[in-house]
Amino acid sequence: AQSVTQLGSHVSVSEGALVLLRCNYSSSVPPYLFWYVQYPNQGLQLLLKYTSAATLVKGINGFEAEFKKSETSFHLTKPSAHMSDAAEYFCAVSEGFTGGGNKLTFGTGTQLKVEL
Amino acid sequence: DAGVIQSPRHEVTEMGQEVTLRCKPISGHNSLFWYRQTMMRGLELLIYFNNNVPIDDSGMPEDRFSAKMPNASFSTLKIQPSEPRDSAVYFCASSPRGSANEKLFFGSGTQLSVL
Repeated sequence: AQSVTQLGSHVSVSEGALVLLRCNYSSSVPPYLFWYVQYPNQGLQLLLKYTSAATLVKGINGFEAEFKKSETSFHLTKPSAHMSDAAEYFCAVSEGFTGGGNKLTFGTGTQLKVEL
Repeated sequence: DAGVIQSPRHEVTEMGQEVTLRCKPISGHNSLFWYRQTMMRGLELLIYFNNNVPIDDSGMPEDRFSAKMPNASFSTLKIQPSEPRDSAVYFCASSPRGSANEKLFFGSGTQLSVL
């Protein structure tokens, strides 16, 4: 079974500082990897996804992530944090079902706090 | 597009009562997912439908939980009887074809409190 591990359940950064949220995956086949963001009282929204086209993936709101097979990592970064980035971030890996379709397995999430 | 619509947004009920959560996926989407989110266990996939057919229900906690998708535009998740440990946020999500590289579109969730 595939899985993801997010290191650090809480991360705090100053506004304007680099954001780095860590994600490591476990997969027996080339994975599809995703980062989702959840704002308070809302559902999850896709930030970006890796589908084997390019190892550096750019997403919305200035976020990007780099797929590193040798490190089995897919860390999320943003050069300069903004107050509006405060949210919970989930890394996820997708595997296919024999009968078709996908099964998205989420990490435990990282709560990002941005301070003035 | 209105997105994935879930109802109710909040549900408070007493232990032993039946609870029904509802979901309307995005029109044209063939895959529908029910997730449960708790502080202790994070996001768990409960059941997954493709073309209205349940593909994987291995995440359904026990027989008290059941889910149906009678047509492409409606799904329900029922808990009978409900217990306090069922308190969580329940999310419905849909995707166009259910391919492994597709993104999921999530509803706003139903906050369930079982007293």
